[in-house]
Amino acid sequence: AQKITQTQPGMFVQEKEAVTLDCTYDTSDPSYGLFWYKQPSSGEMIFLIYQGSYDQQNATEGRYSLNFQKARKSANLVISASQLGDSAMYFCAMINLISNFGNEKLTFGTGTRLTIIP
Amino acid sequence: DAGVTQSPTHLIKTRGQQVTLRCSPKSGHDTVSWYQQALGQGPQFIFQYYEEEERQRGNFPDRFSGHQFPNYSSELNVNALLLGDSALYLCASSPGQARYGYTFGSGTRLTVV
Repeated sequence: AQKITQTQPGMFVQEKEAVTLDCTYDTSDPSYGLFWYKQPSSGEMIFLIYQGSYDQQNATEGRYSLNFQKARKSANLVISASQLGDSAMYFCAMINLISNFGNEKLTFGTGTRLTIIP
Repeated sequence: DAGVTQSPTHLIKTRGQQVTLRCSPKSGHDTVSWYQQALGQGPQFIFQYYEEEERQRGNFPDRFSGHQFPNYSSELNVNALLLGDSALYLCASSPGQARYGYTFGSGTRLTVV
């Protein structure tokens, strides 16, 4: 079974500072993918960044980067130069990449509420 | 390019009633998954539909059922509603073989009273 743990229920960060959101995972699958999603108050899950377990380099997407430490089973999200619009819930999620179907379910953590202070 | 569309956006039902939620996937996507997100929690996988068949199912009772139509749109039905079914229901679509091309809708907020 897969499990995602996000230990920070809430964080407050000054605008323009960098922020790290923690995520640890547990899985017995040899091949897996890790996601970060942003959920504003509107409810929609917005894809931010993806890391495959066999990717050699840490993923980056604009101001977002994923600090992937496979041995520690951690996949922390780093947001550089935070903006007021970054205030939202952030979810870490995992997927099993070995399946007969091609599309597997996502397993989510409980999320971190990030508030950017002007 | 329209993303995932869900309807209705909000719904209030009485305990014991039945409800149907609807989802239109993103253009080009043929797989639809449904998730339940209780207040303060992460989304939980309900089931996934592909080629009009339920392909995977999470730990949800048979009161939760679904359907996928030939145009890939989908419905989620919940019978005999319980207070605990109050949640945000999210639909996600993806291309058939793309393991990480998930696009989510804005969800349907269901309140059971």
